[in-house]
Amino acid sequence: KAGVTQTPRYLIKTRGQQVTLSCSPISGHRSVSWYQQTPGQGLQFLFEYFSETQRNKGNFPGRFSGRQFSNSRSEMNVSTLELGDSALYLCASSYQRAGDEQYFGPGTRLTVT
Amino acid sequence: EDQVTQSPEALRLQEGESSSLNCSYTVSGLRGLFWYRQDPGKGPEFLFTLYSAGEEKEKERLKATLTKKESFLHITAPKPEDSATYLCAYGNKLVFGAGTILRVKS
Repeated sequence: KAGVTQTPRYLIKTRGQQVTLSCSPISGHRSVSWYQQTPGQGLQFLFEYFSETQRNKGNFPGRFSGRQFSNSRSEMNVSTLELGDSALYLCASSYQRAGDEQYFGPGTRLTVT
Repeated sequence: EDQVTQSPEALRLQEGESSSLNCSYTVSGLRGLFWYRQDPGKGPEFLFTLYSAGEEKEKERLKATLTKKESFLHITAPKPEDSATYLCAYGNKLVFGAGTILRVKS
């Protein structure tokens, strides 16, 4: 069974721009969660989607948003990028909910200059 | 505020030298305690889920245990390939600890 895939793997953007990251979950998994990982803050939960609906949300500003499609694929968008948004963005999928076993993708490394 | 604290921050072991990593938590209603392994440049890899005090799970050289206030990840006779960052987390939103960086030297 194929694992979680994320595209692109690396991205360089300029302050003020916006970016869209994509995640394809494991086949049959309906829950997709997004996380931000930085050396200073570690792994932090952004949001979870299930059946195209946001089910949980972390403590991030509204510049961070996401959506899920009917095939469970998910995208996250960050608008008006700031230098502090530079991070590894990880997507994880699970069968029913984020509280189940989650399987992570390799992440997208975003650098904001 | 719910918190997950891991110790030590870093651990250096000789091959074959057993040890334990600690994860203490203060949460309102434990929904599940998770252990993950993360290699540099990769996403975390799922290891274990523990739900109730007294529960234990094993996988190769790793054994995870859970009490009411903390979880331990015991590493028996580690090998260099066990070198990684070990993360614990809990709950629906997966609140993660900062991790323990383990280095095993041959």
